Amino acid sequence: DGGITQSPKYLFRKEGQNVTLSCEQNLNHDAMYWYRQDPGQGLRLIYYSQIVNDFQKGDIAEGYSVSREKKESFPLTVTSAQKNPTAFYLCASSIDSADGRSQYFGPGTRLLVL
Amino acid sequence: AQKVTQAQTEISVVEKEDVTLDCVYETRDTTYYLFWYKQPPSGELVFLIRRNSFDEQNEISGRYSWNFQKSTSSFNFTITASQVVDSAVYFCALSGATDSWGKLQFGAGTQVVVTP
Repeated sequence: DGGITQSPKYLFRKEGQNVTLSCEQNLNHDAMYWYRQDPGQGLRLIYYSQIVNDFQKGDIAEGYSVSREKKESFPLTVTSAQKNPTAFYLCASSIDSADGRSQYFGPGTRLLVL
Repeated sequence: AQKVTQAQTEISVVEKEDVTLDCVYETRDTTYYLFWYKQPPSGELVFLIRRNSFDEQNEISGRYSWNFQKSTSSFNFTITASQVVDSAVYFCALSGATDSWGKLQFGAGTQVVVTP
């Protein structure tokens, strides 16, 4: 089955700790995205990658970092610099980053701060 | 700047009633794309429809229908004969040609609650 997987489903972070959220896709998509969703709000773009070894900041990149070493994988690290990391994180991909491409989403990771 | 407004925070209906979700957008692009996504309680966003700015035909897919009106910058979504499984948050999103890398601007979402 083709799709996007995210792990873990729930993640707990201690103060001052970096944590990494996994996102893998087997859709052979070039473009991948990370979004943050806070309660009662829409999705806000953290980072996106149009192609392997390339990525750009989205609207709320501060306190986050990413890598894109493989086409299938786009992990997101929430660093200790992110002061309010509690949120639902969604990864998405699209066949490429041309205008109007539909994005397909993974099941999400819920991050909680201890 | 691009903006999507979903003014309805929550809509509650009884099963079999129709429900219409409003979406109003702002963009300076002449070429743009509009989307609707469904987010059930499990959390994953499910793609429902994509429409480009040059195609104003209404679309029907089963119990779902969409009304795109460029004159009022609206892309409304109707669920006919609602069912409990339709309970979810629904997001409208916009992608404009100036965001050539495919950025989606999401509205805040509308929570639909369907009770038996």
